[in-house]
Amino acid sequence: DVVMTQSPLSLPVTLGQPASISCRSSQSLVHSDGNTYLNWFQQRPGQSPRRLIYKVSNRDSGVPDRFSGSGSGTDFTLKISRVEAEDVGVYYCMQATHWPRTFGQGTKVEI
Amino acid sequence: DVQLLESGGDLVQPGGSLRLSCAASGFTFSSYAMTWVRQAPGKGLEWVSTIISSGEATYYADSVKGRFTISRDSSKNMVYLQMNSLRPEDTGMFYCARGSWGWDYWGQGTLVTVSS
Repeated sequence: DVVMTQSPLSLPVTLGQPASISCRSSQSLVHSDGNTYLNWFQQRPGQSPRRLIYKVSNRDSGVPDRFSGSGSGTDFTLKISRVEAEDVGVYYCMQATHWPRTFGQGTKVEI
Repeated sequence: DVQLLESGGDLVQPGGSLRLSCAASGFTFSSYAMTWVRQAPGKGLEWVSTIISSGEATYYADSVKGRFTISRDSSKNMVYLQMNSLRPEDTGMFYCARGSWGWDYWGQGTLVTVSS
């Protein structure tokens, strides 16, 4: 199975300041079709997960442009350019290149 | 609007069975794979199972293989998760999500508790 390793697992942030979460996979996430199926999800307290970023760097509709994703191969990053109060929650990376699908452990973002 | 509505969660004894349902609306259901993801209390997300759009192929996490069965009824826009031989470690919130790789829409979840 592909192991997804996130860091840090806890991220204290200051409002208005940037934040960054790293996600590393134990194998390349480049699919044979040429795509890299690395997604980022946000889970606010008491809510269902919500997808923010798909295929490494594509922001979902309605997601603020302060969120951005980057990376390639086995090394990926989610960045928040200026943290807002509503960004509190747990962030997960997830790979969908290989079966079984696997998530990172989650990074708890708190003010 | 795309909506996914899970139901069927309950308190069940170890070794028991439960069937979860997910009602989909707002999109062409027959064109999409569907996925179940679970979350143990206070823990992270775990992929459980995926069924492709035609229903002809299914995928399972090793932790549930042989015990859980995913199915779909495209005439009713429903996806199901039949769970047998339930264990305490199966306790958690079960979410239905659209797609096999994207999971762009999620339901609100249904809670399964396995306890005597």
